[in-house]
Amino acid sequence: DTGVSQDPRHKITKRGQNVTFRCDPISEHNRLYWYRQTLGQGPEFLTYFQNEAQLEKSRLLSDRFSAERPKGSFSTLEIQRTEQGDSAMYLCASSLFGQGNHEQYFGPGTRLTVT
Amino acid sequence: AQRVTQPEKLLSVFKGAPVELKCNYSYSGSPELFWYVQYSRQRLQLLLRHISRESIKGFTADLNKGETSFHLKKPFAQEEDSAMYYCALSGQGGNKLVFGAGTILRVKS
Repeated sequence: DTGVSQDPRHKITKRGQNVTFRCDPISEHNRLYWYRQTLGQGPEFLTYFQNEAQLEKSRLLSDRFSAERPKGSFSTLEIQRTEQGDSAMYLCASSLFGQGNHEQYFGPGTRLTVT
Repeated sequence: AQRVTQPEKLLSVFKGAPVELKCNYSYSGSPELFWYVQYSRQRLQLLLRHISRESIKGFTADLNKGETSFHLKKPFAQEEDSAMYYCALSGQGGNKLVFGAGTILRVKS
């Protein structure tokens, strides 16, 4: 296992299109988090899962955003009807909750550009 | 409200000089505090956490609950310390992280 992976690494889309990102966590990790990072800011929390259950969603997550983790393994984040303000780096992280330090391990991110 | 403030966007020091990256937080309760680091072209990674009370790569950070601060310190900066540093907090139990805006550390030779 080489750590958290995200696909694609870069995505350019036109305003109004839908996009979907995928995150594969570290295999034994039961928690998976999505964050968004814009230029000059730290990552901002979007949502997180414990196994397949979505436990918390940020107010940043408008109804155009939906995230799933259907089998408690990989997760997808979909943005419908993209807007220019959605341009950002989308980060995924995973952790092993319930044992020890529950450190969050981050993926490389997916950079979204909406034109 | 949960908030993390890193007042400096950029800190530039000479090699061998002491470093202090400032972090202040607001949180109602007992948070866990972290420092994350991102080296050029690498992913975000944990540097240290307050509950571990350990030194990583020569860096230490002490949680001061009275001043609600968690400043990162290193007595002698090295060029390889140049990176973006983020202070973050979470509630007890490994929940979401709240990050500051980050400080770029540049160590000049």
